[in-house]
Amino acid sequence: AIQLTQSPSSLSASVGDRVTIPCRATQGIGHSLAWYQQRPGKPPKLLIYDASTLENGVPSRFSGSGSGTDFTLTISSLQPEDFATYYCQQFNTYPLTFGGGTKVEIK
Amino acid sequence: EVHLVQSGAEVKRPGSTVKISCKISGYTFPDYYMHWVQQAPGKGLEWMGQLDPESGEIKYGERFQGRVTITADTSTDTAYMELSSLTSEDTAMYYCSGGFHHWGQGTLVTVSS
Repeated sequence: AIQLTQSPSSLSASVGDRVTIPCRATQGIGHSLAWYQQRPGKPPKLLIYDASTLENGVPSRFSGSGSGTDFTLTISSLQPEDFATYYCQQFNTYPLTFGGGTKVEIK
Repeated sequence: EVHLVQSGAEVKRPGSTVKISCKISGYTFPDYYMHWVQQAPGKGLEWMGQLDPESGEIKYGERFQGRVTITADTSTDTAYMELSSLTSEDTAMYYCSGGFHHWGQGTLVTVSS
């Protein structure tokens, strides 16, 4: 199975900061990557799919980039509601797999 | 508006089976693959499997193969996930998702003797 590594597992940032969250795959997956946001006690929310396509209704401060094995989720200006855990997921090859998550905490 | 409404929390004994339902509304059932995702307490997300409502084709995650059964009743727009031979490691929140665009609220399954 393709493994996705998200490192660091947590990071601290302030409101207004630009935040980048990396995700690395153990083999090339083209652009078959999605990003999710999960707040405590809530289901995941799709932010980005096909590596860089913004899901309907998601604020434009979120963006995704990358292809092959290296991907990045960027939040251009962190807002209070963005403090959450972010997961990447590959859908290039079965079984579908998720990264371990990166928790964005308040500095 | 799209809704995926899952059945309520369950408490199960080790070795038993749980079956969770997920009723969709606001979109046509064949529009999206139906996925199931497990999340253990304080842990990450794990894909359990998917159902293609149009073809009926099902795929399962490696860790759950042989223990999980995903089905659907297209007449009621309801999907089901059955997990057997439960152990304490199956204590988790279980989510259904339409194409990963839409998600149920989650169903907490607690396995305890």
